[in-house]
Amino acid sequence: DAGVIQSPRHEVTEMGQEVTLRCKPISGHNSLFWYRQTMMRGLELLIYFNNNVPIDDSGMPEDRFSAKMPNASFSTLKIQPSEPRDSAVYFCASSPGVGGPREQYFGPGTRLTVT
Amino acid sequence: AQSVTQLDSQVPVFEEAPVELRCNYSSSVSVYLFWYVQYPNQGLQLLLKYLSGSTLVKGINGFEAEFNKSQTSFHLRKPSVHISDTAEYFCAVSDPTNAGKSTFGDGTTLTVKP
Repeated sequence: DAGVIQSPRHEVTEMGQEVTLRCKPISGHNSLFWYRQTMMRGLELLIYFNNNVPIDDSGMPEDRFSAKMPNASFSTLKIQPSEPRDSAVYFCASSPGVGGPREQYFGPGTRLTVT
Repeated sequence: AQSVTQLDSQVPVFEEAPVELRCNYSSSVSVYLFWYVQYPNQGLQLLLKYLSGSTLVKGINGFEAEFNKSQTSFHLRKPSVHISDTAEYFCAVSDPTNAGKSTFGDGTTLTVKP
């Protein structure tokens, strides 16, 4: 298995631009998670899905952030408009989900820099 | 609600020395417990997990952890560390009834010195 795939790996954009991060979970996994990691705040859970349905988005910092999972093999995290304080590494992770062993498999991350 | 406390933010140790990274958790229900490792510029990867059964769990790269229910701890140990073990380590707890969500600790940076 190729593992969790994220794209792009690096993104540099200017303040005010729209940014879309993409994730392909491991085939057969039912849960998908989006995290943000910074030196100041550590690892933060933004949102997670079970069976393509958003379960908890309480970690999404503002309305500028939105996430979708149109099918079991694809998810996006969108920031519009982006701000310098959004600069971070964004991770996607997938898990076998309810009834499974619950460990999460992380992608390599997208390093976002907003100037 | 669950919480995880990693008691040391940084642990420096010399190569070939033993190491213990401490993790305490709080939860009102039975839990699953995990340790993940993050090498520089990479995502987190699973080191080991406790679901049930034997309280001593062995993982990859020679690491092991012991689940202690009475002390609500899940400390990670390795008898002899290598330079390549330098990384950040995260303890996590998952509530089996909470749809797969895990709560992560703040991480412990292990630095192995020659």
